[in-house]
Amino acid sequence: DAMVIQNPRYQVTQFGKPVTLSCSQTLNHNVMYWYQQKSSQAPKLLFHYYDKDFNNEADTPDNFQSRRPNTSFCFLDIRSPGLGDAAMYLCATSRGTGTGGAEQYFGPGTRLTVT
Amino acid sequence: GQNIDQPTEMTATEGAIVQINCTYQTSGFNGLFWYQQHAGEAPTFLSYNVLDGLEEKGRFSSFLSRSKGYSYLLLKELQMKDSASYLCAAMDSNYQLIWGAGTKLIIKP
Repeated sequence: DAMVIQNPRYQVTQFGKPVTLSCSQTLNHNVMYWYQQKSSQAPKLLFHYYDKDFNNEADTPDNFQSRRPNTSFCFLDIRSPGLGDAAMYLCATSRGTGTGGAEQYFGPGTRLTVT
Repeated sequence: GQNIDQPTEMTATEGAIVQINCTYQTSGFNGLFWYQQHAGEAPTFLSYNVLDGLEEKGRFSSFLSRSKGYSYLLLKELQMKDSASYLCAAMDSNYQLIWGAGTKLIIKP
């Protein structure tokens, strides 16, 4: 089945210790997104890629970086995690960004705990 | 500014009907999405409306009024598995999704 896969599902890291979250997709979608979601809050868009074109949201902290080495994979790097970065990180994909293909498909998420 | 409003929490009875409302203010508008999110899981797509009117899909229907900046999700014949958060998201003129915080729906037997 075509899908969006995130690894790991649960990640524990220490305060200030870099961590990388990964996402892969078999949907062959052009667009990949990284969201941060805290409990009972709306998903917050951090970045998105249209193919290799990188789009950084204006309020995404510099502590967050992203890489998309090819169509299938996307990584989220948190350089120095703080306690406030503990959240669910959601990867999503869409065929495009226009009205015809903007429906987003989500991976299961990675729950990050910072100790 | 851009904003989505939806109730924080609603309670309904198994077998009943519930309507979850959403109002939006965006810079331009390219459609309205509804997603379902079970606790600790990722959102799953339910519906997309870009034209005024009602779209029916099984037990779930979604309605849009562009002139009023208003949408609702209607769930019929509620089942216990429908207990989840329901997220409303509007797409603005840049095709960015503006997300609501979600409505937590509690189903009681």
